[in-house]
Amino acid sequence: GAVVSQHPSRVICKSGTSVKIECRSLDFQATTMFWYRQFPKQSLMLMATSNEGSKATYEQGVEKDKFLINHASLTLSTLTVTSAHPEDSSFYICSARDYQGPDTQYFGPGTRLTVL
Amino acid sequence: AQSVTQLGSHVSVSEGALVLLRCNYSSSVPPYLFWYVQYPNQGLQLLLKYTTGATLVKGINGFEAEFKKSETSFHLTKPSAHMSDAAEYFCAVRGGNTGFQKLVFGTGTRLLVSP
Repeated sequence: GAVVSQHPSRVICKSGTSVKIECRSLDFQATTMFWYRQFPKQSLMLMATSNEGSKATYEQGVEKDKFLINHASLTLSTLTVTSAHPEDSSFYICSARDYQGPDTQYFGPGTRLTVL
Repeated sequence: AQSVTQLGSHVSVSEGALVLLRCNYSSSVPPYLFWYVQYPNQGLQLLLKYTTGATLVKGINGFEAEFKKSETSFHLTKPSAHMSDAAEYFCAVRGGNTGFQKLVFGTGTRLLVSP
């Protein structure tokens, strides 16, 4: 089956620093990738949709200057949390949509971000 | 627009008992429906999906779900629970094949399985 990887799986950083999270589709090409945020014991909240070669589309209330998304290739999207603060601590999950089978999103294993 | 309601944030069953997780949806267009499972500190794994055709869909790990348009429901069932089924389950909906549509998730149901 389709595999999506994320790196790192967990990261701890100091307040004010920036953190980059990578999302890769390993065995398929993903024209569209999605970034979600999940707070403890809550559902996934879509942050933004990333299309290869174009600007990301952010959901209402998500700061595009704080959460920078780049989708440089058909297999890689990155999320950079800039000037991270403790309230940015969360579980970030990416997913990728296989353009050949667009009905399904395949999810990465998630990245646990802790900002001290 | 689409929305999902999952009744019951927690469901407890005994090992070997029937599992029933409820999901009701709202959609302004014919929906595509999904069930995902999430184990602690992991991403989501697709259990099954309904797009078109047969309304009873079978997924992995012995789970199945039935799309009932008249009831706007897509409940997840498994005849006999196993300890390894303990996890968080999310129902999700998106608009049908009418161009790009984002997934909308329910709030999740935690399944607890006791020996």
